Amino acid sequence: DIVMTQTPLSSPVTLGQPASISCRSSQSLVHTDGNTYLSWLHQRPGQPPRLLIYKISNRFSGVPDRFSGSGAGTDFTLKISRVEAEDVGVYYCMQATQFPLTFGGGTKVEIK
Amino acid sequence: EVQLLQSGGGLVQPGGSLRLSCAASGFTFSNYAMTWVRQAPGKGLEWVSGISGDGGRTYYADSVKGRLTISRDNSKNTLFLQMNSLRADDTAVYYCAKDQGYYDFDPWGQGTLVTVSS
Repeated sequence: DIVMTQTPLSSPVTLGQPASISCRSSQSLVHTDGNTYLSWLHQRPGQPPRLLIYKISNRFSGVPDRFSGSGAGTDFTLKISRVEAEDVGVYYCMQATQFPLTFGGGTKVEIK
Repeated sequence: EVQLLQSGGGLVQPGGSLRLSCAASGFTFSNYAMTWVRQAPGKGLEWVSGISGDGGRTYYADSVKGRLTISRDNSKNTLFLQMNSLRADDTAVYYCAKDQGYYDFDPWGQGTLVTVSS
């Protein structure tokens, strides 16, 4: 199985400041079809997850442009350009290049 | 509006069975693959199973293979997860989600809690 490792585990941030989350996979996420199926999701307390980014850098419909994804191969990053209060919660990366699909352990973003 | 409404969770004894349902609305259900993901209390997300739009292809995590079965009824716009031989470590909130087409899952159902305990 592909292991997804997220860092940091927790990220206290100041409102209006940037935040960055790293996700590393145990093997390349480049699919034989040429796509890289790496997504980012956000889960607020008591809520189901919501999709933010798919295929490394594609923002899902309705996602603010302060969220951006980047990376290639085995190293990926989610950046929030200016953190807002509604951004608190846990962020997960997920790979869907190979079954079984696997998630990172999560990064908790909280306001300082 | 695309919606997924889940039902069927609850308390069950070890070795027991349960069936979860996920009723879809707001989109052409048969055109989209669907997936189940679970989250144990206080833990992260774990992919459980997926199914193609026509139901012809199914996929499972090793931890549930042979015990959980995914299916769908496209005439009723409903996704199912039949859970047999349940164990304590199956205790989790189970979410259904729509696959947008590139293994990008959104939206997600509200979640349903399954508790396996004697």
